[in-house]
Amino acid sequence: EAGVAQSPRYKIIEKRQSVAFWCNPISGHATLYWYQQILGQGPKLLIQFQNNGVVDDSQLPKDRFSAERLKGVDSTLKIQPAKLEDSAVYLCASNPILGETQYFGPGTRLLVL
Amino acid sequence: SQQGEEDPQALSIQEGENATMNCSYKTSINNLQWYRQNSGRGLVHLILIRSNEREKHSGRLRVTLDTSKKSSSLLITASRAADTASYFCARNNYGQNFVFGPGTRLSVLP
Repeated sequence: EAGVAQSPRYKIIEKRQSVAFWCNPISGHATLYWYQQILGQGPKLLIQFQNNGVVDDSQLPKDRFSAERLKGVDSTLKIQPAKLEDSAVYLCASNPILGETQYFGPGTRLLVL
Repeated sequence: SQQGEEDPQALSIQEGENATMNCSYKTSINNLQWYRQNSGRGLVHLILIRSNEREKHSGRLRVTLDTSKKSSSLLITASRAADTASYFCARNNYGQNFVFGPGTRLSVLP
């Protein structure tokens, strides 16, 4: 079984530029999560999808972050414009049943200069 | 805040010793999960323990849950250098989103 795929693995941009991350969850997993993990901290949930609907986006900075999962499969997270404090690892996870074990992708490491 | 704490924040032990990490939380939970993260990698699921369970084992891992104290512990027995990683607990409240703590950084010295 293929795991959660994320791309790119690394990205370096300058502040005020835009960036997009892609995630393809495990086949058949209805729930998809995007987390932000700042160095030395635990993952913080940005947004949670159930199929193509948003379950929780209360911690998503909506003035600059957006995410979509149009067909209920893969998902894109965008930051526009980026700030220095957005430097972090962005993790995507999925699970077949809400609230059960999450399967994480390798993450995208973003550096904003 | 829903977030609890893991302690210690960092732990260094010798190979062969046991490592114990603790996780406390503040709200009721449906289940609690432990994850490992090697440097620069994604998180790997270790064990899920439900609110009606008190103890679970998986290989060299033992997890306990005390809902009256709102705490859980992860014990790694006979540690190896490969166990060096950060360990996180994640609380789930009845299908709502997961809340991760800041983690415990474990260093196992050869």
